[in-house]
Amino acid sequence: EPEVTQTPSHQVTQMGQEVILRCVPISNHLYFYWYRQILGQKVEFLVSFYNNEISEKSEIFDDQFSVERPDGSNFTLKIRSTKLEDSAMYFCASKLDLDGYTFGSGTRLTVV
Amino acid sequence: DQQVKQNSPSLSVQEGRISILNCDYTNSMFDYFLWYKKYPAEGPTFLISISSIKDKNEDGRFTVFLNKSAKHLSLHIVPSQPGDSAVYFCAASPGGGADGLTFGKGTHLIIQP
Repeated sequence: EPEVTQTPSHQVTQMGQEVILRCVPISNHLYFYWYRQILGQKVEFLVSFYNNEISEKSEIFDDQFSVERPDGSNFTLKIRSTKLEDSAMYFCASKLDLDGYTFGSGTRLTVV
Repeated sequence: DQQVKQNSPSLSVQEGRISILNCDYTNSMFDYFLWYKKYPAEGPTFLISISSIKDKNEDGRFTVFLNKSAKHLSLHIVPSQPGDSAVYFCAASPGGGADGLTFGKGTHLIIQP
């Protein structure tokens, strides 16, 4: 069964550093997303991406964040100047149409 | 601001019985609802969805019911199996396309032998 692949599974970074979280969505999917889950809290929408541009973003997705689809397969989330409160599980998701969002297993980001 | 609410943090059900997980929402713009299951250290796994034009959708042991007037949906699992033990998230969106999902906080379902 097709999967959404995320790397790394765990990333530790120092406060103020930049991190790039990587995702390989399912190859024929058209919509791409990033979500995050802070420990003990609910899964929160960050951003959606369609047709090579951002479609929608939440209040969380400020200037510190950016997304890219640099080639036909990768979808990245960059966090500039990380803060302690950016520590969370970050999930990438993709979908083809109305149904069937598929989530990756997540990247646990720890900012120290 | 909880637009999607799952008021039961946990639910314990005996194996073989019916599990009923509930979800309420406040945003009238929500048009599409999904249930996800999540194990620790894994991403959410899609279970079943329903659009607002329906009041019921069934897939094997899983049935989702939607009551639009009450802004309430529920997930029924019957019969419950040990492998169903997980956290279940209700999620909603205004429609298709690129709209992001709004998740509830989840209900931890525990199936007891």
